[in-house]
Amino acid sequence: GQQLNQSPQSMFIQEGEDVSMNCTSSSIFNTWLWYKQDPGEGPVLLIALYKAGELTSNGRLTAQFGITRKDSFLNISASIPSDVGIYFCAGPFGGGGNKLTFGTGTQLKVEL
Amino acid sequence: GAGVSQSPSNKVTEKGKDVELRCDPISGHTALYWYRQSLGQGLEFLIYFQGNSAPDKSGLPSDRFSAERTGGSVSTLTIQRTQQEDSAVYLCATTRDYNTGELFFGEGSRLTVL
Repeated sequence: GQQLNQSPQSMFIQEGEDVSMNCTSSSIFNTWLWYKQDPGEGPVLLIALYKAGELTSNGRLTAQFGITRKDSFLNISASIPSDVGIYFCAGPFGGGGNKLTFGTGTQLKVEL
Repeated sequence: GAGVSQSPSNKVTEKGKDVELRCDPISGHTALYWYRQSLGQGLEFLIYFQGNSAPDKSGLPSDRFSAERTGGSVSTLTIQRTQQEDSAVYLCATTRDYNTGELFFGEGSRLTVL
């Protein structure tokens, strides 16, 4: 099946720093999604990208859909303690594109 | 309730026993998914229901796993003869429109098989 690889696996940063993580795929995706999972919770959608080259922001978050349609990155500016969690990229698969495959995740830890 | 509700939140069982996990979707959400998340891992797709169509069971890891969705609403995931490798968090997600990619997840059911 399709595999989404995320890097880095984990990050330990200082509060106020900017963060960058990316996601790559061996297959082309027509949609890229970024989810965040807080401890003990289910993932929540942060940003959705529907067009190659698209750059989308949501507050301190910015994500881009790579031109090749095989990658995406997520940036977080001026990190704060509540940014802690696991960030997953995701993309649709299956004949109807009606299922999501999730990446391996990037765990973010913020030091005060 | 307003969100996806899953029960039980925690389940500890002995190897070989059967377990049932329940998911109450958001009202009006016709698509329902089950995912499995092992410790420190990503989400593994298990099964997908859409309206009255036959479910997509392509992600179920073995025939010990089954799921049903009654009346297009509540779903139950059943694991028969549980094994230790079944220990994981089982997440249910629903959506009104899968084209957006926005799935609404429950908090999950944590299963521990001793």
